[in-house]
Amino acid sequence: NAGVTQTPKFRVLKTGQSMTLLCAQDMNHEYMYWYRQDPGMGLRLIHYSVGEGTTAKGEVPDGYNVSRLKKQNFLLGLESAAPSQTSVYFCASRFLDSTEAFFGQGTRLTVV
Amino acid sequence: GENVEQHPSTLSVQEGDSAVIKCTYSDSASNYFPWYKQELGKRPQLIIDIRSNVGEKKDQRIAVTLNKTAKHFSLHITETQPEDSAVYFCAASGGGSTLGRLYFGRGTQLTVWP
Repeated sequence: NAGVTQTPKFRVLKTGQSMTLLCAQDMNHEYMYWYRQDPGMGLRLIHYSVGEGTTAKGEVPDGYNVSRLKKQNFLLGLESAAPSQTSVYFCASRFLDSTEAFFGQGTRLTVV
Repeated sequence: GENVEQHPSTLSVQEGDSAVIKCTYSDSASNYFPWYKQELGKRPQLIIDIRSNVGEKKDQRIAVTLNKTAKHFSLHITETQPEDSAVYFCAASGGGSTLGRLYFGRGTQLTVWP
């Protein structure tokens, strides 16, 4: 039982490049989340999903897209990376409302 | 949408003293309030949570209180130890039109000096 796994763990991108971050969970959770963590800013919600095939915007969705084609996977895409997207990205999942969210190990992304 | 405010942003205490971190939320539909601890370079992990039908919850040295009328909740750590040093985040989870959302405060860096 791996929990929540993020791929990759580290990545350096050039401005304008695209990439996809993968989040996979093996706990049959309904809800999945993508956050970014910047110093002094806490965890800011980018996008989230309350079930397979559904996604919704969070606090800071601009510049990101997501897809949840399979219940266990939640993908975060950057179409044209910008230096402002340099951050640590965390994926999380939980079964339903009012239940514990489990986090992945994080992805450190640097855009130069 | 929900807005979660957390104070203070940094907190230093002597080992054995108590630490209190406070959060406020804006959406009266929020009904679940977890607290997470994040050690340096690690992922956030749940330490305690409280639901809106409960006013207080304790787990050994950690307690959380909730005041729904005032829309604030607090984390209390007693008999602090150096290993309590970490960043603590409060969060609020909504209902109704914001079902599924999980919002976090900006975090409190707690340092416990031996």
